[in-house]
Amino acid sequence: DADVTQTPRNRITKTGKRIMLECSQTKGHDRMYWYRQDPGLGLRLIYYSFDVKDINKGEISDGYSVSRQAQAKFSLSLESAIPNQTALYFCATSDSGGRGHFGELFFGEGSRLTVL
Amino acid sequence: AQSVTQLGSHVSVSEGALVLLRCNYSSSVPPYLFWYVQYPNQGLQLLLKYTSAATLVKGINGFEAEFKKSETSFHLTKPSAHMSDAAEYFCAVSDYTGANSKLTFGKGITLSVRP
Repeated sequence: DADVTQTPRNRITKTGKRIMLECSQTKGHDRMYWYRQDPGLGLRLIYYSFDVKDINKGEISDGYSVSRQAQAKFSLSLESAIPNQTALYFCATSDSGGRGHFGELFFGEGSRLTVL
Repeated sequence: AQSVTQLGSHVSVSEGALVLLRCNYSSSVPPYLFWYVQYPNQGLQLLLKYTSAATLVKGINGFEAEFKKSETSFHLTKPSAHMSDAAEYFCAVSDYTGANSKLTFGKGITLSVRP
């Protein structure tokens, strides 16, 4: 089983619908992240959480919200989806520090979202 | 603040040829640098990382990268390309200071390998 699991892997929805992408991890990491990937733009950080009670906006948080339900779970919501939110979304985790930690991320396999 | 520049969006090489993917960084603190690879329909996986130890870093699948502070570069190389190397490659820099580290990615380079 994957260490970082994202559901759903693919989703097609319509403009205005509410969508939730879920992420769970078995790596025991404190830190979780949501990135968005668009062709030619690389990965851009949407939100990140350094522990269960910590939520931080990334560079492109408008139109998105997150919930850290537990150490192992971090969900991303689009309250009212719009077509320019069509993208590939990645969840990632990292350790909180200590020996051997340099900010390395571990990624899920991605959730492809299409908003019509 | 840190940033990464990957010039060009696509590199094409012949099988057996040298692979060179360029990455330049900007960082206000000593950087930690990473190369990630994304195969089709998969997530990103770590190829190699520079963490202020040896400046020449060896990674998986025969890739290596050299940290050059004077040139603010961290270019990725492989002596002989294989068809299975076709993928998208991302350079990334971390502002890790033990507190609020985040990774900033470049825009990625697609590597094609011709038979």
